[in-house]
Amino acid sequence: AQSVTQLDSQVPVFEEAPVELRCNYSSSVSVYLFWYVQYPNQGLQLLLKYLSGSTLVESINGFEAEFNKSQTSFHLRKPSVHISDTAEYFCAVSDRGHGNQFYFGTGTSLTVIP
Amino acid sequence: GAVVSQHPSWVICKSGTSVKIECRSLDFQATTMFWYRQFPKQSLMLMATSNEGSKATYEQGVEKDKFLINHASLTLSTLTVTSAHPEDSSFYICSAPGLVDDEQFFGPGTRLTVL
Repeated sequence: AQSVTQLDSQVPVFEEAPVELRCNYSSSVSVYLFWYVQYPNQGLQLLLKYLSGSTLVESINGFEAEFNKSQTSFHLRKPSVHISDTAEYFCAVSDRGHGNQFYFGTGTSLTVIP
Repeated sequence: GAVVSQHPSWVICKSGTSVKIECRSLDFQATTMFWYRQFPKQSLMLMATSNEGSKATYEQGVEKDKFLINHASLTLSTLTVTSAHPEDSSFYICSAPGLVDDEQFFGPGTRLTVL
């Protein structure tokens, strides 16, 4: 089974400042990597994903994440955050193969301060 | 993208009653669906894998007789919390895998509060 570690449980950051949310996973086998965002009392929304190819993936709202195989990491970054980015962020890993279960990190609560 | 719905979005019930939560794949078929439980300020914990036409597979520590799962069709899975107690109060989320890329599509969740 996979183990996903999100080292930072809470990250406060001022508006327009950069942010990095860290994610490390345990297995060295081929994986798919995801970041999901969850707003209060809502389900998960896919932010971005890495399946193969370029190790840098981007979302439509300015987030990006880089797959680093040697460090088994998939950190999420944004150069300038907005108030609306305040939410819970979950890193998830899936062993390659259709329909396999996801393993979630414990989540990082991002709070953007005006 | 594919859409997964859940009903109800929230429910309040008395201790000892049973509550049924529905998870539907709206525009695609799902032979497998997953049920998660999320406590406040915590991550999603997989409870069980729901398999269309066969028995669900439960994670270790999840009571099969308390959390009944029925996957009667390719678009519907139900989770019934039997004899609910206050400690069962949680946010229940279902998901279904897409056809490609191992992506999971998540429902909006159901907030269960047991008084």
